Amino acid sequence: AQSVTQPDIHITVSEGASLELRCNYSYGATPYLFWYVQSPGQGLQLLLKYFSGDTLVQGIKGFEAEFKRSQSSFNLRKPSVHWSDAAEYFCAVGGHGNKLVFGAGTILRVKS
Amino acid sequence: DVKVTQSSRYLVKRTGEKVFLECVQDMDHENMFWYRQDPGLGLRLIYFSYDVKMKEKGDIPEGYSVSREKKERFSLILESASTNQTSMYLCASSSSELGYTFGSGTRLTVV
Repeated sequence: AQSVTQPDIHITVSEGASLELRCNYSYGATPYLFWYVQSPGQGLQLLLKYFSGDTLVQGIKGFEAEFKRSQSSFNLRKPSVHWSDAAEYFCAVGGHGNKLVFGAGTILRVKS
Repeated sequence: DVKVTQSSRYLVKRTGEKVFLECVQDMDHENMFWYRQDPGLGLRLIYFSYDVKMKEKGDIPEGYSVSREKKERFSLILESASTNQTSMYLCASSSSELGYTFGSGTRLTVV
């Protein structure tokens, strides 16, 4: 069965610093991989997705993620964090029959 | 702009009540999903539907049922609400594996 692990429950970074959020997945075939962001009291917004091809994927709001098959990872990165990036981030893997399996989430705090 | 609309942002219900959570999408998507979100647990799939009048159990269906009489509407039903069903409920729709569109969520409190 597919699964997603986000090892960091909370991460705090300074504004302007770089960011990397970790995601490891378990899936028997070539995965579809996603990152979503959730601001407080809101639904989830898609940041980026990977299906095939170039393993470095660009998303909205200056985020990117790199698919590494050998490490079963799909880490999210941003070179310079803004205070408005404070939110909860979810990694997800596409499973059988269109279902997505989500990780437990990482809460990002940005300090000024 | 495409939308998934959940009828209530906040609900407070009493233990034992029958509760209906409504979700409507305007994208003509075949697939619709209900998740619940709890701190530290992420999103867990309750039920999903690939077509009208069709439903499949997700990972945590106990205590819930669903109804999909029309393509655009997918309802989650708590047959007899309990305090352990206090949670954020998220509806989503999709037309393929190309990602979901989520509603804004319904925060349900059962007292």
